[in-house]
Amino acid sequence: EAQVTQNPRYLITVTGKKLTVTCSQNMNHEYMSWYRQDPGLGLRQIYYSMNVEVTDKGDVPEGYKVSRKEKRNFPLILESPSPNQTSLYFCASSLVQGNDYGYTFGSGTRLTVV
Amino acid sequence: RKEVEQDPGPFNVPEGATVAFNCTYSNSASQSFFWYRQDCRKEPKLLMSVYSSGNEDGRFTAQLNRASQYISLLIRDSKLSDSATYLCVVTLSGSARQLTFGSGTQLTVLP
Repeated sequence: EAQVTQNPRYLITVTGKKLTVTCSQNMNHEYMSWYRQDPGLGLRQIYYSMNVEVTDKGDVPEGYKVSRKEKRNFPLILESPSPNQTSLYFCASSLVQGNDYGYTFGSGTRLTVV
Repeated sequence: RKEVEQDPGPFNVPEGATVAFNCTYSNSASQSFFWYRQDCRKEPKLLMSVYSSGNEDGRFTAQLNRASQYISLLIRDSKLSDSATYLCVVTLSGSARQLTFGSGTQLTVLP
């Protein structure tokens, strides 16, 4: 089944404790992206990647890091999480070419930083 | 001004009603347009792409007006299962497939 898999689904952590949210897709998509979703603000892009070893900042990159060492994986790293990073996070992937293609999203990671 | 604006609702309609959502976008060079559906606490899922000529998928019809920078979604004969938040999504010119999301319009279909 074609899908984007995120882990964990739920995470509660303490301020300053490094964490990684994993994202993997099995559709051979070149493009992957991370979003956070907050009430009233909608989905905002954190980072995106056009292909292996190619990453760039989205609209809200502060406090996050990403890597794209393999095509299928695009982990999101919070080196020193803070309470304002409490949010619902989505990973998504897409083919680069073709205007008819939307994104396929993972099931989301609900992160709480206390 | 937000790049993609939607009426947040909520829209509460009876089963069987026809309901329309509107969305405006600010960048005239926007290239691709989509409607996504998001159920509570779940991931957004692509509902349909929006083409310049307008397109229909069963009970759903999407329209694009480039001159007015306006997108619409019409749902006919609404079902209880249509209850969700509908997200208007735009790909901006030169953005290499980056999507910009509206904040969503919440729909509740009542029995």
